Parts: sequence; C-alpha cells; structure tokens
Amino acid sequence: EADIYQTPRYLVIGTGKKITLECSQTMGHDKMYWYQQDPGMELHLIHYSYGVNSTEKGDLSSESTVSRIRTEHFPLTLESARPSHTSQYLCASSATGGPNEQFFGPGTRLTVL
Amino acid sequence: GENVEQHPSTLSVQEGDSAVIKCTYSDSASNYFPWYKQELGKGPQLIIDIRSNVGEKKDQRIAVTLNKTAKHFSLHITETQPEDSAVYFCAARLSNFGNEKLTFGTGTRLTIIP
Repeated sequence: EADIYQTPRYLVIGTGKKITLECSQTMGHDKMYWYQQDPGMELHLIHYSYGVNSTEKGDLSSESTVSRIRTEHFPLTLESARPSHTSQYLCASSATGGPNEQFFGPGTRLTVL
Repeated sequence: GENVEQHPSTLSVQEGDSAVIKCTYSDSASNYFPWYKQELGKGPQLIIDIRSNVGEKKDQRIAVTLNKTAKHFSLHITETQPEDSAVYFCAARLSNFGNEKLTFGTGTRLTIIP
C-alpha cells in the first residue's frame, strides 16, 4: 500500500462554495500531481509540483489552484465550485531519480449540485 | 506533446483465457511505459513497467512488450482470474531531463467472466 492519503473521500456541496481537497504523502517524495478523472475513466493532469514552492499547470486547464508549502502536503482549492467541477480527483507522488513509479491516493469524488 | 491511444476500451474474457491490451504513442523520444490497474473505489496502482531499452518484461502472469519502431506497447495477462477485473491504463513519459509527467491512455475496462 502506498503512503499517500486524500481527504475527504466523498464530498457533495452546493454551487459557489469554496472547497479544499487535501493530499498528503509520507514517502518524502519531491514530486506531486493532481489528476482529474472523467466518468469515462480518462486521467487528465491538472497540476503538478516538483518541490516546495514549485507548482505548474498540467495539460488540462482547470479553475482550481494548488500550493506546496511543505513537501508532504499538496492541497487543491476551488474558490467557487460549479457543477462542471463534478469529477473524481486523484493525487499522486513520485521520487526524484530511481524508479519512476507514481503512487496514487484513493481519490476524492466531488459532486457539485 | 505526447499522445497515447489505447484499445480496446472494454474487454470481456473467459476466466483462464488471456487478455491483451494495446497502446500506441506518438513521440519517439518517450522512454518509459508503465501500466496501471485501477480497482473500483481506488486509485491506480502500478503493475508493470518497461523502458525503451528493453523489448519485453514479464512478472508472473503479466507481461509487457514494446515495439519502438512501430511505437506501440502491449499488456498481456495470461490465465486470467476474477481479481483481474479492473480498469487498466497504459502511459508514456518523454525522456526530457527532469520531466516526470506521464501521458495516460484512455483506459480499458477488463471483465473476467467466471
């Protein structure tokens, strides 16, 4: 089992609410990622970070923002949630050098009403 | 950027038979090709990977083959079991220094029929 955690696992909220999805890992990995997963399964990279104070936008445009103040923590924030944000959000991490495996958390299923 | 295509999108196989999932990639500079398995309610988990300097890799009932010339790679599962039912993703990574981003295929939902 990978030591990467996401909370909450499920979240149902109303339109316009601000939300933060938490992701933390205890493996000391420098690199962390956020993916959005369609109901049709496809994974889209929306944010990544290669270390503290480093964040980049991914391949899929997203209205969410991320921060990386501590190595182990990579939260994702939506300032004003909309129904179009309804999706599964997966966090992952990987080590610098060596094996390139990305370890995934269990995901947060977000529903915006 | 890299583009990865994956086929089929769904696959049903009789228990004990073999399953094959195929992926093609667009950028010849890609050098790392992992396969992930995602079970219901969980995040994807790496099951096997291959680098561009190797043509084939096996791990018990799972094998991956890579054809660099044709830019395609395949996952082979032999003697399938009910617990193999899941969604499988292939991925590719460009060899740019410091670039760890993976480009994923669209996924294959594998169902093993008892």
